[in-house]
Amino acid sequence: AQTVTQSQPEMSVQEAETVTLSCTYDTSESDYYLFWYKQPPSRQMILVIRQEAYKQQNATENRFSVNFQKAAKSFSLKISDSQLGDAAMYFCASNNNDMRFGAGTRLTVKP
Amino acid sequence: KAGVTQTPRYLIKTRGQQVTLSCSPISGHRSVSWYQQTPGQGLQFLFEYFSETQRNKGNFPGRFSGRQFSNSRSEMNVSTLELGDSALYLCASSVDLSVRNTGELFFGEGSRLTVL
Repeated sequence: AQTVTQSQPEMSVQEAETVTLSCTYDTSESDYYLFWYKQPPSRQMILVIRQEAYKQQNATENRFSVNFQKAAKSFSLKISDSQLGDAAMYFCASNNNDMRFGAGTRLTVKP
Repeated sequence: KAGVTQTPRYLIKTRGQQVTLSCSPISGHRSVSWYQQTPGQGLQFLFEYFSETQRNKGNFPGRFSGRQFSNSRSEMNVSTLELGDSALYLCASSVDLSVRNTGELFFGEGSRLTVL
């Protein structure tokens, strides 16, 4: 079974600053995918970034990047140059035949 | 291309009743997953269907059931509703979750169930 843990229920960042959201996971598989999803208030969940476990290079999507530490089973999300539109719930997820999510981190962006 | 559509968006039921939620996936997507979202619990995996077959199931009681039709549309049913079943139920579709080429899920807006 796979489990995903997000230890930060809430985080806050000043506009234009950088914030890192933490995630750890547990899986017995060697091949899997990791994801960060964003759920804006009252809006649909959307994919932010994905990481394939067999790739050592950290994924990057514009202002979003991850720090993937496979041995430590850690997968953090870094948001650079934070914008007001980044305010949302962020969910870390692991996929090995079915997608499992963490409890989420609510990110507030202060102007 | 139309997104994932869930109906109804909001509903109120009383304890002991049953409810059926519907999900229409993105055209061409054969996998449909259901999640229960509650504050503090995140998204709890209910089940996943692919080509009318339940492929994976989460740790929910038998009161929670689902099915998928030949056009990939899916329904989930909750019988004998309890107060704790109040939640946002999210449906997500993908081409095929077991094919690890993308793994991206496309979510609907959810059905918010309130049990009184």
